Amino acid sequence: QVQLVESGGGVVQPGGSLRLSCAASGFTFSSYGMHWVRQAPGKGLEWVAFIRYDGSNKYYADSVKGRFTISRDNSKNTLYLQMNSLRAEDTAVYYCAKDTPSYSIPGHWGQGTLVTVSS
Amino acid sequence: QLVLTQSPSASASLGASVKLTCTLSSGHSSYAIAWHQQQPEKGPRYLMKLNSDGSHSKGDGIPDRFSGSSSGAERYLTISSLQSEDEADYYCQTWGTGTVVFGGGTKLTVL
Repeated sequence: QVQLVESGGGVVQPGGSLRLSCAASGFTFSSYGMHWVRQAPGKGLEWVAFIRYDGSNKYYADSVKGRFTISRDNSKNTLYLQMNSLRAEDTAVYYCAKDTPSYSIPGHWGQGTLVTVSS
Repeated sequence: QLVLTQSPSASASLGASVKLTCTLSSGHSSYAIAWHQQQPEKGPRYLMKLNSDGSHSKGDGIPDRFSGSSSGAERYLTISSLQSEDEADYYCQTWGTGTVVFGGGTKLTVL
């Protein structure tokens, strides 16, 4: 059974940094691409970033490019999102999701972790 | 530009059927999409992948009450025999080279 558990959320000041983690279990983590998707309070889903199964390629939404970095440690079955230069508009619940083979579809989702950027 | 458009809201009665629409932007009518459901206060759940020819493949454990169809640039999600737990936000999603796009979502109310 696929399980994705995000952690690392919290309150951070504008301009600050935070690193999110996503612990994966129930599947062969090293064989799947992974996504980060966020949802601002009361708003819809916004894709943030994707990393291939081996970390060889990474893609970002324009809104986070140059500030956020997606990475993974396949030996630890863990996905990361390093968030720097945080802004108020980055306030959201952040979800990690397992990719569906051959398509860029988040096929299994975690429960999310809340990031609040506020002074 | 790859854009998905959804109506903000829809409603239907308990036990009835409802058809939600997702429209692909001009020039992208051949794209496949996915449908995701988000019940109140929960994380999203993948429902199905829907191709331009209407063929679809569902995620694990998705009931037969959920089905998909396509016509031109429109992609549909039909939910039959509506139940109270179907009251949720429904998002369509597609992808291009190096990008993933979500529609704005449709809030479904079960009356």
